[in-house]
Amino acid sequence: GQNIDQPTEMTATEGAIVQINCTYQTSGFNGLFWYQQHAGEAPTFLSYNVLDGLEEKGRFSSFLSRSKGYSYLLLKELQMKDSASYLCAAPGNTGFQKLVFGTGTRLLVSP
Amino acid sequence: DTGVSQNPRHKITKRGQNVTFRCDPISEHNRLYWYRQTLGQGPEFLTYFQNEAQLEKSRLLSDRFSAERPKGSFSTLEIQRTEQGDSAMYLCASSTSGDISYEQYFGPGTRLTVT
Repeated sequence: GQNIDQPTEMTATEGAIVQINCTYQTSGFNGLFWYQQHAGEAPTFLSYNVLDGLEEKGRFSSFLSRSKGYSYLLLKELQMKDSASYLCAAPGNTGFQKLVFGTGTRLLVSP
Repeated sequence: DTGVSQNPRHKITKRGQNVTFRCDPISEHNRLYWYRQTLGQGPEFLTYFQNEAQLEKSRLLSDRFSAERPKGSFSTLEIQRTEQGDSAMYLCASSTSGDISYEQYFGPGTRLTVT
């Protein structure tokens, strides 16, 4: 089966850098996703990693280590609008059809 | 195309009533998914369609739940004899079948409250 763990909540200050960690245990590996979800809204895609290493997209970067079953999302130059839940997800073991999500990390950015 | 749409956005019903939700995916997407999300949790997979075929159902989907996608376009999710435990946000997502475009696009959800 799939098991995904991430911290429940984190706080950070505007302008700072924050790293949100995710550890996973999957039977088979088909990549790892990060989604952002503002309160009361739909999740929106941030990144997909299938190879080891860091992928940068503007202020957001995502890192993957397949050997360690570990990923992180790095948010730089935090803005108030970055306050949201960040969901780590992996494709289910039946293939790409479904995503198995962690509980999400709620990030609170303060002035 | 403006993305995945879901109707209604909110539904309040009394225990024991039946409810039906609709999802309209992005038009060129042949894959459609239903998820359920409760407060403080990530979305949980319910079921998946490729075109009109329902290819996977979660064990979460009891016999009170049924989903259809009759023409491979919009989908409906029906819950019969609702229970208070069914209160949740029901999310629909769609995607193409190509690996590179695997990203799932989520709709705004239908929030169900069972009283």
